[in-house]
Amino acid sequence: SQQGEEDPQALSIQEGENATMNCSYKTSINNLQWYRQNSGRGLVHLILIRSNEREKHSGRLRVTLDTSKKSSSLLITASRAADTASYFCATALIKAAGNKLTFGGGTRVLVKP
Amino acid sequence: GAGVSQSPSNKVTEKGKDVELRCDPISGHTALYWYRQSLGQGLEFLIYFQGNSAPDKSGLPSDRFSAERTGGSVSTLTIQRTQQEDSAVYLCASSAGAAYNEQFFGPGTRLTVL
Repeated sequence: SQQGEEDPQALSIQEGENATMNCSYKTSINNLQWYRQNSGRGLVHLILIRSNEREKHSGRLRVTLDTSKKSSSLLITASRAADTASYFCATALIKAAGNKLTFGGGTRVLVKP
Repeated sequence: GAGVSQSPSNKVTEKGKDVELRCDPISGHTALYWYRQSLGQGLEFLIYFQGNSAPDKSGLPSDRFSAERTGGSVSTLTIQRTQQEDSAVYLCASSAGAAYNEQFFGPGTRLTVL
């Protein structure tokens, strides 16, 4: 079963707008990671946020983590057509050996030029 | 250096045949993971290797699935007597092995069972 649930399932925005997607999870985590996937193939790692961190930035990406609400958000600012992809959150559970990841269902983002 | 590579990129097979999927992790990465992505089930963990041993095989869906890793490097995922429900993209990832390290994914093998 999936640990994370993502919201929305799909998002369509104009180039230059911001895109926000949310991830909720059920059990305590070591860390939470966001990945991007283009065309249903390899996943590209975007950001890792540890359970003792609340916010992290990487370029146009901003990730927040609220462990009390068991939720995270990914914000893409000033979106570009190249940001069109599916975005997945993935959690590494405290009790899981080897930091294996449990993925959410993903958010499909379409950035229109 | 080079990223994670997987072969073949696509595999079409007939129901009942065996298939082998290969993963070459990033050099020096001690941890290796197999996941699969299918329309109905999303992204699912299959098995985790630390070195050549597999401390967690809990995601393997049946005893038709097995995996091994040799020399702490290359891994092979074998599916015996393939079924149509095995059709999916099989993704391999590696990491440096520490608890907080991100996982780097390969491009995947798209398996189609006819």
